[in-house]
Amino acid sequence: GAVVSQHPSRVICKSGTSVKIECRSLDFQATTMFWYRQFPKQSLMLMATSNEGSKATYEQGVEKDKFLINHASLTLSTLTVTSAHPEDSSFYICSARANRGSGATDTQYFGPGTRLTVL
Amino acid sequence: GENVEQHPSTLSVQEGDSAVIKCTYSDSASNYFPWYKQELGKRPQLIIDIRSNVGEKKDQRIAVTLNKTAKHFSLHITETQPEDSAVYFCAASPYSSASKIIFGSGTRLSIRP
Repeated sequence: GAVVSQHPSRVICKSGTSVKIECRSLDFQATTMFWYRQFPKQSLMLMATSNEGSKATYEQGVEKDKFLINHASLTLSTLTVTSAHPEDSSFYICSARANRGSGATDTQYFGPGTRLTVL
Repeated sequence: GENVEQHPSTLSVQEGDSAVIKCTYSDSASNYFPWYKQELGKRPQLIIDIRSNVGEKKDQRIAVTLNKTAKHFSLHITETQPEDSAVYFCAASPYSSASKIIFGSGTRLSIRP
C-alpha cells in the first residue's frame, strides 16, 4: 500500500529557531499534500494544502510567513516553522493524496507525524 | 467552510457490545466521508469510508451509514474487542476543495474487559 514518511519524528529546539519537517510519499506520486497540527487530546486541524509546483493554500488563521511550505517535487513537501515559540509545540502530521487513476482519488495516506517541542 | 461535529467525545462500552459514534456535517456539497482510528502518538489509520452515492457500507465488524438529507453519518462497531480502544475521528471532504478533509473533534473509545 501507499506509504508516507516524515522526518524527523521528534525535534526539540530553542525558542526563536526554525525547524524544517519533511514529508515524503515513498511509492507513489502526490500532486497534493496536506499539513495538519494536532495538540494533545485534540483533533487534527488542517493548516495548509501543498500543491506541487505552486504556492500552498493556507487555512484561515494560519500564518503563511510563519509556516513556510514548499512542494518542490511530486514526492516531497516540507514545512518550516520559522522563529518557533513554545506555543508552536505540537504534533505535526502530513498526508498525501494518492491519485491512482482508478477512482481512489479521495484516499489520503498519513505520515507518522513529527512531535515538535520548543523550549 | 465545512464544519464537522462529532459525539460523544468519550465512550466506554463492555467488551462484546456495540459502539456507535455519530457525526454531522454542514456543507451539503461534501461527498466523501472517511473514518480514522488513531492510537496514542501514532498516525490516523483509515478504517472505512463512504461516498455520498451510498447509504451504508460494511466491513466485517465495522459499518458506516450516511443520511445525506439530514447530513448525518455514523460509525458502528459490533462485537467490540480490547484492541478497538483508540480515538476515532470522522471527517468530511467538501467537493469544491479538491479532497481537503475536515476532521471531527474525535471520540475516545474505551472497551471494558
